[in-house]
Amino acid sequence: SQQGEEDPQALSIQEGENATMNCSYKTSINNLQWYRQNSGRGLVHLILIRSNEREKHSGRLRVTLDTSKKSSSLLITASRAADTASYFCAADQAGGFKTIFGAGTRLFVKA
Amino acid sequence: SAVISQKPSRDICQRGTSLTIQCQVDSQVTMMFWYRQQPGQSLTLIATANQGSEATYESGFVIDKFPISRPNLTFSTLTVSNMSPEDSSIYLCSGGTGPGGELFFGEGSRLTVL
Repeated sequence: SQQGEEDPQALSIQEGENATMNCSYKTSINNLQWYRQNSGRGLVHLILIRSNEREKHSGRLRVTLDTSKKSSSLLITASRAADTASYFCAADQAGGFKTIFGAGTRLFVKA
Repeated sequence: SAVISQKPSRDICQRGTSLTIQCQVDSQVTMMFWYRQQPGQSLTLIATANQGSEATYESGFVIDKFPISRPNLTFSTLTVSNMSPEDSSIYLCSGGTGPGGELFFGEGSRLTVL
């Protein structure tokens, strides 16, 4: 299978709460990226973390990377109803040119 | 950044026919990829579209079924040949400016095969 795993598969929270999504991947990577997809739309890039980085912030987003465990997490703080979407991690394989996507987490933020 | 346009955005096709999806990028990108996404599922990489040469296919995808062209840096096509209902899916074109960089995505082409 191409894909890594993400958990949870689905997450429902109240507006204002934090949302944490986890991702595991299978191969050595150069970078790990996170994307968002609104229903019926294409994917939008959120953040990229390099293999030599452990944590990165962008606005309300915080990403961590543990290359020894081949895992990453995305934290969205102070969630909003507009954050409702599917979130995918994507691993850029070391020594290659392709990006492999995880299974995705469907986030639903209730107003 | 790059803006990627795909067409058609959706189509309903008959079994046994073929459909070509076009992907146009508004600026030059080094890499172009084609992904397939079943509704509610993740993306599966079909192939890397190489300019002026044969595409590089992933395991489980073959050129006879999914011929791909990329005549220049800003345009690519994916054909889904001899379609069956199992080919019903969303097909996404993406482009990037280098290995391991941000990918830009089209809105996808939703294909239904009857």
